[in-house]
Amino acid sequence: QPVLTQSPSASASLGASVKLTCTLDSGHSAYAIAWHQQQPEKGPRYLMTVYSDGSHNKGDGIPDRFSGSSSGAERYLTISRLQSGDEADYYCQTWGTDIRVFGGGTKLSVL
Amino acid sequence: EVQLVESGGGLVQPGGSLRLSCAVSGFTVRTYDMHWVRQPVGEGLEWVSGFGSAGDAYYRDSVKGRFTISKENAKNSLYLQMNSLSAGDTAIYYCARGGSGWQNRFFDLWGRGTLVTVSS
Repeated sequence: QPVLTQSPSASASLGASVKLTCTLDSGHSAYAIAWHQQQPEKGPRYLMTVYSDGSHNKGDGIPDRFSGSSSGAERYLTISRLQSGDEADYYCQTWGTDIRVFGGGTKLSVL
Repeated sequence: EVQLVESGGGLVQPGGSLRLSCAVSGFTVRTYDMHWVRQPVGEGLEWVSGFGSAGDAYYRDSVKGRFTISKENAKNSLYLQMNSLSAGDTAIYYCARGGSGWQNRFFDLWGRGTLVTVSS
């Protein structure tokens, strides 16, 4: 089954950009993944699906400041022009045989 | 409005049972894969169970034989019957929708969650 690895934390300044990384294990390096945002005390929110070719498709209402990309087994979420409301936990997610799999999540702090 | 609203959480003793409900509005539960995902307080997300649009159900290993997922089309709702609960099942439980077509591999809509606490 796939394994997704994320750094536990990241930080960036208000108005700056940040790139979060989700790494697939070598046996599943071509898989697509989804990014989900979870703001404090809220349920998760789907942001986008990122494919191995670097393309992505976003959920309804997701701002243009959010974009996705890929390189090898890594899937990225880039957030531009950071706002205080972007301070949240970000999870990547994929699938296996009859299961769904999450990464451990990255806590993003906006300074 | 398209939304998922969970209910049925609460405090239950070890070994007890609880039934969670997810009321669906804005789409029909019959045509989508539906899932339960949980999150121990202060920890990450963990997939629990899924119910495919074709009627197939699947579970993470740690809940097999204890949890049962089901849908009721007439009430447009998803359920999770949880038996033989232990402290390790304590978490916020979220209802989530799988996307359309090939996107059913990913969750594209989430509820706000319901808290389940297993404690004596």
